[in-house]
Amino acid sequence: SSELTQVPAVSVALGQTVRITCQGDSFRSYYASWYQQKPGQAPTLVIYAKNNRPSGIPDRFSGSNSGNTASLTITGAQAEDEADYYCNSRDRSGNHLVFGGGTKLTVL
Amino acid sequence: EVQLVQSGAEVKKPGESLKISCKGSGYSFTDYWIAWVRQMPGKGLEYMGIIYPGDSDTRYSPSFQGQVTISVDRSIRTAYLQWSSLRASDTAMYYCARRLPNYYSFEYWGQGTLVTVSS
Repeated sequence: SSELTQVPAVSVALGQTVRITCQGDSFRSYYASWYQQKPGQAPTLVIYAKNNRPSGIPDRFSGSNSGNTASLTITGAQAEDEADYYCNSRDRSGNHLVFGGGTKLTVL
Repeated sequence: EVQLVQSGAEVKKPGESLKISCKGSGYSFTDYWIAWVRQMPGKGLEYMGIIYPGDSDTRYSPSFQGQVTISVDRSIRTAYLQWSSLRASDTAMYYCARRLPNYYSFEYWGQGTLVTVSS
């Protein structure tokens, strides 16, 4: 099992706000990055360094950290946001990287 | 435009060797770390390891140390992932990804290479 723990599935009503969490001791020292992966596609970086968005990522995506939990918040979820979401960060040792197990987001 | 273009799908038998590739373009190839990420069928992303093309400094995830070899050929701007003896459990999609400088995040990804190992 991964050092970063994600809830397997989350759902949100269209236009509502959803938070996807990732728990791990490494977040006491390091920031999380978040990736969106749609079926049959490579992952896309949506948040890095806690709350930075790459060019082209809508501002409805935001990130935060609190204690051992990192969160990805989608404010006003759209149908196209339905996807798998993965967190990543350094592991406890700080020497390697690790991904969370992923969260499947369903937009109702 | 930054691009990472991976080699095509492979079908191999257990025990065979394999080397897949990831060619970078649109940026200074030697200045950015490139990682390899495994995704087994229906499963999540797994970090395998990373290489710095500038000096070939390579770091492996403990889970993949000794199981694969990551290398690079700077002259053709290409990173590689190779196996000396494949197993059925190596069946997966493999992605290369370029690390953001100064962050442990991957901004650009290849399209993936599907490796199928079956007798």
